[in-house]
Amino acid sequence: GESVGLHLPTLSVQEGDNSIINCAYSNSASDYFIWYKQESGKGPQFIIDIRSNMDKRQGQRVTVLLNKTVKHLSLQIAATQPGDSAVYFCAENTGNQFYFGTGTSLTVIP
Amino acid sequence: NAGVTQTPKFQVLKTGQSMTLQCAQDMNHEYMSWYRQDPGMGLRLIHYSVGAGITDQGEVPNGYNVSRSTTEDFPLRLLSAAPSQTSVYFCASPERGTYEQYFGPGTRLTVT
Repeated sequence: GESVGLHLPTLSVQEGDNSIINCAYSNSASDYFIWYKQESGKGPQFIIDIRSNMDKRQGQRVTVLLNKTVKHLSLQIAATQPGDSAVYFCAENTGNQFYFGTGTSLTVIP
Repeated sequence: NAGVTQTPKFQVLKTGQSMTLQCAQDMNHEYMSWYRQDPGMGLRLIHYSVGAGITDQGEVPNGYNVSRSTTEDFPLRLLSAAPSQTSVYFCASPERGTYEQYFGPGTRLTVT
């Protein structure tokens, strides 16, 4: 089966610092990767995605990096804000199915 | 445009009872899916549908049935609830031609 895992289950950062959340995946055939943010009591919310033929994609304050050689995905959040406190999930797509990692809980310290 | 809606928000069942979790989307999306979320396990795909009349199994389909008679609705049925099905259930649907999934607010189910 698929295996999408995160290196760290929790991460605490000072407000204004940059955050980096990591994710490992195992299926080299996955063609699409997504990062989601989930706040307490809510459903996951799409943040940013990247196709397997890219190695970097930038959004507003977020950057996703894909290293296919080592099957590693990361999410970088610039100038982290208190509103960024949430659980972050990576997910990979293979065919019609999505496989999610277990999540990293990000806490922003004011 | 309400996006993806789910009912009920909370539900308590006794072992062996049956129920249907409702999911609806008003965005004319073809793909719809059901996930369960357990502590420390992330989200796991139960069933999905790529269009009306078409359904398929995900990672953890056992104990659940689905049907897709219309584009808008994708109900999830538990025929005989078990305590192992205690979880939070999310319905999701991406925009046509993209993988950007919209998730519903979730249904928290407890089976005693």
